[in-house]
Amino acid sequence: AQSVAQPEDQVNVAEGNPLTVKCTYSVSGNPYLFWYVQYPNRGLQFLLKYITGDNLVKGSYGFEAEFNKSQTSFHLKKPSALVSDSALYFCAVREGTGGFKTIFGAGTRLFVKA
Amino acid sequence: DGGITQSPKYLFRKEGQNVTLSCEQNLNHDAMYWYRQDPGQGLRLIYYSQIVNDFQKGDIAEGYSVSREKKESFPLTVTSAQKNPTAFYLCASSNRGVASTDTQYFGPGTRLTVL
Repeated sequence: AQSVAQPEDQVNVAEGNPLTVKCTYSVSGNPYLFWYVQYPNRGLQFLLKYITGDNLVKGSYGFEAEFNKSQTSFHLKKPSALVSDSALYFCAVREGTGGFKTIFGAGTRLFVKA
Repeated sequence: DGGITQSPKYLFRKEGQNVTLSCEQNLNHDAMYWYRQDPGQGLRLIYYSQIVNDFQKGDIAEGYSVSREKKESFPLTVTSAQKNPTAFYLCASSNRGVASTDTQYFGPGTRLTVL
């Protein structure tokens, strides 16, 4: 069965510092991996996805994520955090071969302090 | 949230009452989804629909019903059989269906509270 884990409930960083939000996954086939961001009382906004190809994926708002097959990870990164990046971040996975359901992690709350 | 609207933004339900949450999309997407979000949990799939007049149960369909009479609309009814309906409900759509690489795009959500 496919699953996704976000091991940190909360991540705190200072503005201007690099940030990392962790995600590990489990699927039986090739994974499709997604990151979304959610601001309070809003829907999820798509940030980026990995389907195939280059392991480093660049997305919206300066975010990027690195697919690591051996570690089954897809960590979200940004070189320099902004206060406005403070939000709830969700990692999601779908099995690439015949998979039809997207599984979402529990979310990681990011606080960026000025 | 562009292209997907949900109404109302806030909804209050009395015990034993059915309520319907609206979801409309103008993205011409084939597939639509309903998720439930509870604090500290990921999104859980309630129902999904790949084409008009067809829909399937997700992981937590009990106490919910849907219809897909038009491509752009996928309303969700929360029935009195749903024992703990207080949650944030999210509608999403994607272009080519559930088994594709296409990204799901989300509406702004409806917060349902049982009084």
